[in-house]
Amino acid sequence: LAKTTQPISMDSYEGQEVNITCSHNNIATNDYITWYQQFPSQGPRFIIQGYKTKVTNEVASLFIPADRKSSTLSLPRVSLSDTAVYYCLVGPFSGTYKYIFGTGTRLKVLA
Amino acid sequence: NAGVTQTPKFQVLKTGQSMTLQCAQDMNHEYMSWYRQDPGMGLRLIHYSVGAGITDQGEVPNGYNVSRSTTEDFPLRLLSAAPSQTSVYFCASSPLRDRVNEQFFGPGTRLTVL
Repeated sequence: LAKTTQPISMDSYEGQEVNITCSHNNIATNDYITWYQQFPSQGPRFIIQGYKTKVTNEVASLFIPADRKSSTLSLPRVSLSDTAVYYCLVGPFSGTYKYIFGTGTRLKVLA
Repeated sequence: NAGVTQTPKFQVLKTGQSMTLQCAQDMNHEYMSWYRQDPGMGLRLIHYSVGAGITDQGEVPNGYNVSRSTTEDFPLRLLSAAPSQTSVYFCASSPLRDRVNEQFFGPGTRLTVL
């Protein structure tokens, strides 16, 4: 199972772009990279998923280099409501389904 | 759709008591899982299931049992509660095809063991 490493915490100001990087050096060929967001006292919420290059949706972008050993979640123009913990997971699209959450990155957005 | 529902929302147990945390989903998802989250920590996988009649252990299965008799329900049983099991428990589900990595989480059950 691929293990992930993320920064423990980050601070940003409203309106800025935030980039959170996740390291996953032993990612397997069939692993996808998935990011979740968790607010206090709530369950995690799916943000975005990708396999390679770049994926964009209405919430965020996900950048994955060719070697896939890391990925970067990009949140454009953050607001106070983006203050949350962000988790990076790598896991098989099919296979064991034993997903391991890391400790996540606590993002604090300041006014 | 109600999504993933969990009951109860809060529970206090005494050491040695047993109880069942309920989890149900109405999205016809094959995959269901249970996580625990200790204060200030990440989520740890307890057990998971890829379909009715199929369950497997996660990272921290000791002290917990699960069964999956239907697609909709995935109860988690604490056999003999211990203070170390004080935590917030989240249930999640996802389809096994297409967006399998997109797990939908329930609101959680906050458990305190005295």
